[in-house]
Amino acid sequence: GQQVMQIPQYQHVQEGEDFTTYCNSSTTLSNIQWYKQRPGGHPVFLIQLVKSGEVKKQKRLTFQFGEAKKNSSLHITATQTTDVGTYFCAGRVNTGNQFYFGTGTSLTVIP
Amino acid sequence: NAGVTQTPKFRILKIGQSMTLQCTQDMNHNYMYWYRQDPGMGLKLIYYSVGAGITDKGEVPNGYNVSRSTTEDFPLRLELAAPSQTSVYFCASSLVARGDEQFFGPGTRLTVL
Repeated sequence: GQQVMQIPQYQHVQEGEDFTTYCNSSTTLSNIQWYKQRPGGHPVFLIQLVKSGEVKKQKRLTFQFGEAKKNSSLHITATQTTDVGTYFCAGRVNTGNQFYFGTGTSLTVIP
Repeated sequence: NAGVTQTPKFRILKIGQSMTLQCTQDMNHNYMYWYRQDPGMGLKLIYYSVGAGITDKGEVPNGYNVSRSTTEDFPLRLELAAPSQTSVYFCASSLVARGDEQFFGPGTRLTVL
């Protein structure tokens, strides 16, 4: 079945350091979304990528969609304590209505 | 707008009991979803609906049932609860499935003992 893998599973960084999480799919995706879930909370939508090679930025967050549309990454520059949480990617294949969520990367920021 | 609301917030069930998790959205979204999230794992889709009267299975539908009689409501039914169904359940909705963000409810934490 469809699989979306995410690495690393956990990341601890000092405040001010950068952070990157990677998402890889076993099949080509039509689009990919990124969500953030704070501890004890629910997932909140961050962004969607659709085009091959697409790059989008939201302040300190940079999102990329691979040329082959099988992988994606989220990079946070100069992390802050407010960035703490788990970041999930969710990919959709061409033929389906459902998104397949990655296993998530839990980010801890040490002040 | 309240967005997506779920009840109850917490529930403890005994093995073999049944219950219904409620989900309501007031955004007039066509698509609704039920996910389960196990510790340290991503979200797995249980069932989804593309509109009133239409439902379809996701990745992990066994042991669950759904119905969609109105646009607003999408209840999830657990029959004969098992310990493997201990999880956090999230309901979500979106305007369209193929290109729209999903809005999640606050979740229901279910324990089956």
